[in-house]
Amino acid sequence: DADVTQTPRNRITKTGKRIMLECSQTKGHDRMYWYRQDPGLGLRLIYYSFDVKDINKGEISDGYSVSRQAQAKFSLSLESAIPNQTALYFCATEAGDTQYFGPGTRLTVL
Amino acid sequence: ELKVEQNPLFLSMQEGKNYTIYCNYSTTSDRLYWYRQDPGKSLESLFVLLSNGAVKQEGRLMASLDTKARLSTLHITAAVHDLSATYFCDGETSGSRLTFGEGTQLTVNP
Repeated sequence: DADVTQTPRNRITKTGKRIMLECSQTKGHDRMYWYRQDPGLGLRLIYYSFDVKDINKGEISDGYSVSRQAQAKFSLSLESAIPNQTALYFCATEAGDTQYFGPGTRLTVL
Repeated sequence: ELKVEQNPLFLSMQEGKNYTIYCNYSTTSDRLYWYRQDPGKSLESLFVLLSNGAVKQEGRLMASLDTKARLSTLHITAAVHDLSATYFCDGETSGSRLTFGEGTQLTVNP
């Protein structure tokens, strides 16, 4: 079984809809991250969490919110989706010097 | 704000040749990371470099860090087709990850 899972893997939604992307991990890591990747670009950090009570904004947090429900779960919400939020979203955990990425969620906002 | 620039962005090379990918960063960075991404896949951590002069090697890939020059390199020795992927570097400062480079898309031709 994968250590970092993301659901859904693909999602198509309409402008203005609220959507939640979920990330779960079985690694027991405190640090978790949400990134987005746009075609031909690197990853940009949306939010990160160093433990359940510590949540921080990344470089592109506007239009997004997160919830760290437990050590193992870190959810990303788009309160009112817009087309320029169409992207590939990755969740990652971290321990020591290594990040472990989930498989990604491909989100399309029409 | 930590900014990371990679070059080249696109690299096409023949099997058996050597080449270097460069990662420049704009301010003091506590550590420097390298990742690999295959098309349509998630990211895989390759190396983390923790101090000036750090060098790490795995197979045909060797990464190094020069904090004074704010430069990290990823050297490819005797390239093989299986190394074809996009390689990203990422910096960390003050304990938080900030930004990825744009990525270097490497194609190794037979």
